[in-house]
Amino acid sequence: SQQGEEDPQALSIQEGENATMNCSYKTSINNLQWYRQNSGRGLVHLILIRSNEREKHSGRLRVTLDTSKKSSSLLITASRAADTASYFCATDSSGTYKYIFGTGTRLKVLA
Amino acid sequence: GAGVSQTPSNKVTEKGKYVELRCDPISGHTALYWYRQSLGQGPEFLIYFQGTGAADDSGLPNDRFFAVRPEGSVSTLKIQRTERGDSAMYLCASSLNGATGELFFGEGSRLTVL
Repeated sequence: SQQGEEDPQALSIQEGENATMNCSYKTSINNLQWYRQNSGRGLVHLILIRSNEREKHSGRLRVTLDTSKKSSSLLITASRAADTASYFCATDSSGTYKYIFGTGTRLKVLA
Repeated sequence: GAGVSQTPSNKVTEKGKYVELRCDPISGHTALYWYRQSLGQGPEFLIYFQGTGAADDSGLPNDRFFAVRPEGSVSTLKIQRTERGDSAMYLCASSLNGATGELFFGEGSRLTVL
């Protein structure tokens, strides 16, 4: 089962532009994470935000979390062609250590 | 090893055959996860181990699927009487203890059932 849903499903932007993708989830959580996956490869952890945090930064990444709306957003600033990948959110369903992934956003950054 | 290792990277089998997929987690990681991913979809949770025991196996689709982790390190996902619908990428991830959140993924085992 999928706990989270990302939107948009696909996003195509020019290099240098910002990319924003959103994640909505269904149950209460302890934390929410974002992962990146290059085609045919494993997932790579990007950033984790805890339920008592509202915003977190890491390099060109900015994540926000709104627990009242059960939603999160990932912003990638000044995108590069190398950012082309699929991005997934993951939540620890109902405070367990069972991490459920969303459906993903496929980002394409055009050089 | 430095990362999570999965073998084989590719497995082609015939319908009805038995398959084993192996995951070697990062040394010292007590939590181990198995996911299944179909093309264009997100990873689907299968099972999660804390040490040697399966803490949550609610994602295993049916009794043809079974996973073990006898010594709390290497894990094997076993699929009996494979069906064409089992074709997917099987991903393994490990975590220091589950509570820390960050999952470290292997490169996956791509299973094709003909």
